[in-house]
Amino acid sequence: KQEVTQIPAALSVPEGENLVLNCSFTDSAIYNLQWFRQDPGKGLTSLLLIQSSQREQTSGRLNASLDKSSGRSTLYIAASQPGDSATYLCAVRVRRNSRGGSEKLVFGKGTKLTVNP
Amino acid sequence: DARVTQTPRHKVTEMGQEVTMRCQPILGHNTVFWYRQTMMQGLELLAYFRNRAPLDDSGMPKDRFSAEMPDATLATLKIQPSEPRDSAVYFCASGFLSRGRAFFGQGTRLTVV
Repeated sequence: KQEVTQIPAALSVPEGENLVLNCSFTDSAIYNLQWFRQDPGKGLTSLLLIQSSQREQTSGRLNASLDKSSGRSTLYIAASQPGDSATYLCAVRVRRNSRGGSEKLVFGKGTKLTVNP
Repeated sequence: DARVTQTPRHKVTEMGQEVTMRCQPILGHNTVFWYRQTMMQGLELLAYFRNRAPLDDSGMPKDRFSAEMPDATLATLKIQPSEPRDSAVYFCASGFLSRGRAFFGQGTRLTVV
């Protein structure tokens, strides 16, 4: 059974700092990994999607890496801003197994980021 | 700007009542998910559809929950009868093919009193 863990659960940093959020998963048989952002009381916004054959993806100040063999992904945020404050979730799309298991998204519990002005 | 639309955004109901949540996936997406989010459990998959066919509903309490896709533009999640422990935010998400992104709606915040 695929399990996704995110460390730390919460992080508070001063504005301008570069930071790294971590995500680990137990089963490397995945289609892709997706990073989401969730603001309080809101839905999830997709930030980056990394296919299983890729090593990293970049969007603006965000860079996500994937090491499938070790079951790890990191989300790097450069020059953090107060507007980056949110909960960041990673999710893996599991591959269908030989018994016909579904290709569902399995989520971590998220890292709550606070960027202080 | 294509988006997943969920209704209602908020629902307060009494224990024992039927609750129906609706989702309009993004046109053309062939995969629809229903998730439930609570503080304790995080995001849990309830049901998963591919081309309107249910592929996985193992996360759903079968005695009270049901999920359907009557057509490609509508997915429904029904709870009957509702219980206080069902209080959570219910998210619908849609995507295209196995390897694409999943796009989430704004959620339905359900409170059962």
